[in-house]
Amino acid sequence: EAGVTQFPSHSVIEKGQTVTLRCDPISGHDNLYWYRRVMGKEIKFLLHFVKESKQDESGMPNNRFLAERTGGTYSTLKVQPAELEDSGVYFCASSQVGLAGGAFFGQGTRLTVV
Amino acid sequence: GQSLEQPSEVTAVEGAIVQINCTYQTSGFYGLSWYQQHDGGAPTFLSYNGLDGLEETGRFSSFLSRSDSYGYLLLQELQMKDSASYFCADYSGGGADGLTFGKGTHLIIQP
Repeated sequence: EAGVTQFPSHSVIEKGQTVTLRCDPISGHDNLYWYRRVMGKEIKFLLHFVKESKQDESGMPNNRFLAERTGGTYSTLKVQPAELEDSGVYFCASSQVGLAGGAFFGQGTRLTVV
Repeated sequence: GQSLEQPSEVTAVEGAIVQINCTYQTSGFYGLSWYQQHDGGAPTFLSYNGLDGLEETGRFSSFLSRSDSYGYLLLQELQMKDSASYFCADYSGGGADGLTFGKGTHLIIQP
């Protein structure tokens, strides 16, 4: 069974540009989460999808971040326009029955904004 | 708000036992999870405690005491491959549907 996959693994963009990150969850997992780890800080929750619906987006830092999950399968996270403080590692995770059973994380996308 | 505190770094010897503590302050607490992350890798789920007491999974055990807002991860028969960062995470099940992570404990295993 394939795990959670994220693309790209690395991205270097200039301030003001747009970047779109993609996450393919484990097949059959209705719950999809986005997290971010900024250098030296803890992993922070961004948002949670249940199928195609945003269940909770309380962790999204501002309106430059837009997440979608069309059709309830893969998800994209767009940052537009990117700022320097957006640099970090963006993780996607999926789970079948909720977080008590553990979430499966992707390898992350390392975003560097210069 | 929610916060979890854990030591930033712990050093142990191969073959020994190490305990990584986690204290939390949170509202709507459901349970405590533990994740392992090797450098550059994905966090990997280790265990979840929804009830007080000890959960054992092979060489790893995790403990929770709700009355003390405290939990720990116990690693036995340490191996070099256990060198990684370990995160406690709170699943509140409340307003924020995701996990709230601690800052992680970097475990260093010495031969």
